[in-house]
Amino acid sequence: DAKTTQPTSMDCAEGRAANLPCNHSTISGNEYVYWYRQIHSQGPQYIIHGLKNNETNEMASLIITEDRKSSTLILPHATLRDTAVYYCIVSGSNDYKLSFGAGTTVTVRA
Amino acid sequence: EAGVVQSPRYKIIEKKQPVAFWCNPISGHNTLYWYRQNLGQGPELLIRYENEEAVDDSQLPKDRFSAERLKGVDSTLKIQPAELGDSAVYLCASSLDGQGRFFGPGTRLTVL
Repeated sequence: DAKTTQPTSMDCAEGRAANLPCNHSTISGNEYVYWYRQIHSQGPQYIIHGLKNNETNEMASLIITEDRKSSTLILPHATLRDTAVYYCIVSGSNDYKLSFGAGTTVTVRA
Repeated sequence: EAGVVQSPRYKIIEKKQPVAFWCNPISGHNTLYWYRQNLGQGPELLIRYENEEAVDDSQLPKDRFSAERLKGVDSTLKIQPAELGDSAVYLCASSLDGQGRFFGPGTRLTVL
């Protein structure tokens, strides 16, 4: 599976959009981009995934560049409860081989 | 609908003692995963089950770790004997045919 590169940490203000970048320059044509998050003392939680088109659900939006070498997870209106570690993962369509890196620690501040 | 259930939530043991973790996946989910998460790192897959068959146990330290999923529903992960380096959070997850991944809250193991 392709590796991903994420910033170690980032802060954002409550009520503002949080834009989380992820680089995956070695992604192959049939690999998806998945995002999970892990709130303190909980297990990881699925957020969203996509192949090449932008995706949106009730939690977030996923923007994938045309060359698919990078993506951005957007939390449109960050709340304090969005404080978590966010993992960007590249894997096949049935995601059996999800491999978590260290992720980005996102702190939402009031 | 209940999520993935794990017990116990916390366990403290002395080194060389045995320990077991239990997981009950979401009803109907045929795929079950055990992960280990060390402090400050992402989860690492230990073993994956499809129904009662372990289809990927390449990362399971087989000298001291064992797992079972006898009836293709709940599962137990055992460590015997535990070592100091086994201190971690052990996460169970389940999915239906590999789609999505639902994690339990984990068991935090401390080996003294």
